[in-house]
Amino acid sequence: QSVLTQPPSASGTPGQRVTISCSGSSSNIGRNYVCWYQQLPGTAPKLLIFRNDQRPSGVPDRFSGSKSGTSASLAISGLRSEDEAEYYCAAWDERLSGYVVFGGGTKVTVL
Amino acid sequence: EVQLVESGGGLVQPGGSRRLSCAASGFTFTNYAMSWVRQAPGEGLEWVSSISISGDTMDTYYADSVKGRFTISRDDSKNTLYLQMNSLRAGDTAVYYCARGGGTYEYAPWAWGQGTLVTVSS
Repeated sequence: QSVLTQPPSASGTPGQRVTISCSGSSSNIGRNYVCWYQQLPGTAPKLLIFRNDQRPSGVPDRFSGSKSGTSASLAISGLRSEDEAEYYCAAWDERLSGYVVFGGGTKVTVL
Repeated sequence: EVQLVESGGGLVQPGGSRRLSCAASGFTFTNYAMSWVRQAPGEGLEWVSSISISGDTMDTYYADSVKGRFTISRDDSKNTLYLQMNSLRAGDTAVYYCARGGGTYEYAPWAWGQGTLVTVSS
């Protein structure tokens, strides 16, 4: 059971917009930055979004992040076949002594 | 370019020990919090441990599942992060990723290594 809650799957046709939600609490998303990662099969995760809505250089602007209260979202616009992957959210959680929490992952399928 | 290269994975018997290393380059290692994250076969990402920058107090953090068995450390003179794993169990079988945080106090990973597989089995 992951601390951050993501839908297990999402899908869309090429060119569509897909949104993935990440729900947390006041101790994690509510007080700290959210990151998003893309993981292609058999590879290491790759940072897509940092500090809620910032894109690293090289990440297409089709990917965008947002945060409101204790929830965050990742949007993929202009969906492409190469976007088919697993997506994870993460944040620091201030409970106890502190730790990084991840969402359970969302598998995006391009139909 | 940020590079994180893990080593030390392999087959370990239950109850055994293993030390993972992560050689960092392409950034000022001393300025960044570092972490280990693992992924069991077919499963999602699980945070294992984090370590702050060196200083008067070097803070370490552990997931409940590894507390008391794993020890994270760093050698800034060698730009290397370590994970000492003791009393290994079958449930520790996973790819272990070394990850760099966003800065001195940002622990969520911004950069990842390629991972090293640890298999705990008799």
